[in-house]
Amino acid sequence: AQSVTQLDSHVSVSEGTPVLLRCNYSSSYSPSLFWYVQHPNKGLQLLLKYTSAATLVKGINGFEAEFKKSETSFHLTKPSAHMSDAAEYFCVVSPIKAAGNKLTFGGGTRVLVKP
Amino acid sequence: SAVISQKPSRDICQRGTSLTIQCQVDSQVTMMFWYRQQPGQSLTLIATANQGSEATYESGFVIDKFPISRPNLTFSTLTVSNMSPEDSSIYLCSVRDRGYDNEQFFGPGTRLTVL
Repeated sequence: AQSVTQLDSHVSVSEGTPVLLRCNYSSSYSPSLFWYVQHPNKGLQLLLKYTSAATLVKGINGFEAEFKKSETSFHLTKPSAHMSDAAEYFCVVSPIKAAGNKLTFGGGTRVLVKP
Repeated sequence: SAVISQKPSRDICQRGTSLTIQCQVDSQVTMMFWYRQQPGQSLTLIATANQGSEATYESGFVIDKFPISRPNLTFSTLTVSNMSPEDSSIYLCSVRDRGYDNEQFFGPGTRLTVL
């Protein structure tokens, strides 16, 4: 079984300030972890992924995330928010070695960026 | 990465009718997935569609309501049958990357409104 909890449903930041989106997971298997972004009326885009290699993962648009097994966390950060970062963000878990490779989505975090 | 298109992009339908959503991929893929995203909610997996076999449905979803076809390795359809306003959602298809990482690529979605 696997599950994902995104600890904040909404995050509001000022442009140029850091962004932190928190994610905790639970998985019976060694997990793959992903962050996807969904801009309004757009499809889902992969930001970054963790697949048992380096625990600090760098993604697109300046985002990065750190896998912490002891804390079962995979928080997403960006040092300086841009107006274009306003979107919905989903933390996702999938077992690395299990049939079906199902993705389990967190509830999402909506990011608002203030000028 | 795979490029996925969906038709229609949006539709408004009357209750009691059915709508078939098409998903086309630009490369051959083994596993395709259908998700539902209800208004303001996260994504929920409806079913996994593998070519040459019956779709596998998640708990809470049944074939009579959401019949799926997968005639070849680049195409799938999802039908939403006997629609009610509760079926108003975004429906997304995705495909699994052939690589090891379980990454999935998503189509742009079909926004369905049922009156």
